[in-house]
Amino acid sequence: EIVMTQSPATLSVSPGERATLSCRASQSVSSNLAWYQQKPGQAPRLLIYGAFTRATGIPARFSGSGSGTEFTLTISSLQSEDFAVYYCQQYNSWPFTFGPGTKVDIK
Amino acid sequence: QVQLVESGGGLVKPGGSLRLSCAASGFTFSDYYMSWIRQAPGKGLECVSYISLSGSTIYYADSVKGRFTISRDNAKNSLYLQMHSLRAEDTAVYYCARGEEWELLPQAVDFWGQGTLVTVSS
Repeated sequence: EIVMTQSPATLSVSPGERATLSCRASQSVSSNLAWYQQKPGQAPRLLIYGAFTRATGIPARFSGSGSGTEFTLTISSLQSEDFAVYYCQQYNSWPFTFGPGTKVDIK
Repeated sequence: QVQLVESGGGLVKPGGSLRLSCAASGFTFSDYYMSWIRQAPGKGLECVSYISLSGSTIYYADSVKGRFTISRDNAKNSLYLQMHSLRAEDTAVYYCARGEEWELLPQAVDFWGQGTLVTVSS
């Protein structure tokens, strides 16, 4: 099983600032990496797939990068609606595993 | 619009059984693989099971193998999860989710239902 780790566990950011979230895989997942956003009481929403492709309707302030084992999600200028938990997930091999999440909260 | 609506959750005693259903609408159900993903209260996400477009390929997490059975009915646009021998650690919100396959390879889940809560407790 591929183990996904995320850092930091919590990121405190002021509105308008940049946020950088990291995700690491225990072995290469190529570019088969997705990022999801989850707000309290809601289902996760797909932000990024294929490591760097934004999903339909996702604002350009969200960007993904990386391949292999190291990945980054960047939110260029945080808006109030972006405060949430962010998960990375590899879908390169079953079981498709998620990282433990990074909570982005208001500084 | 795309909808995935789960049902069948509830309170069940340890060792009991439950069958979850997911009704899909707003898209061509047979064009997508389907998956059940769960989230224990206050915890992260775990892929429980996967079923390919035609149902010919099925995967289970080790934690549920031998106890859970996934199935789909493309004529009824429905996904199911039959759960037996339930344990306290199966307590979670269970999400129905879909994804595309490109050249027979599954891609990221692109849409989730709102989930149904399963509570296993005596």
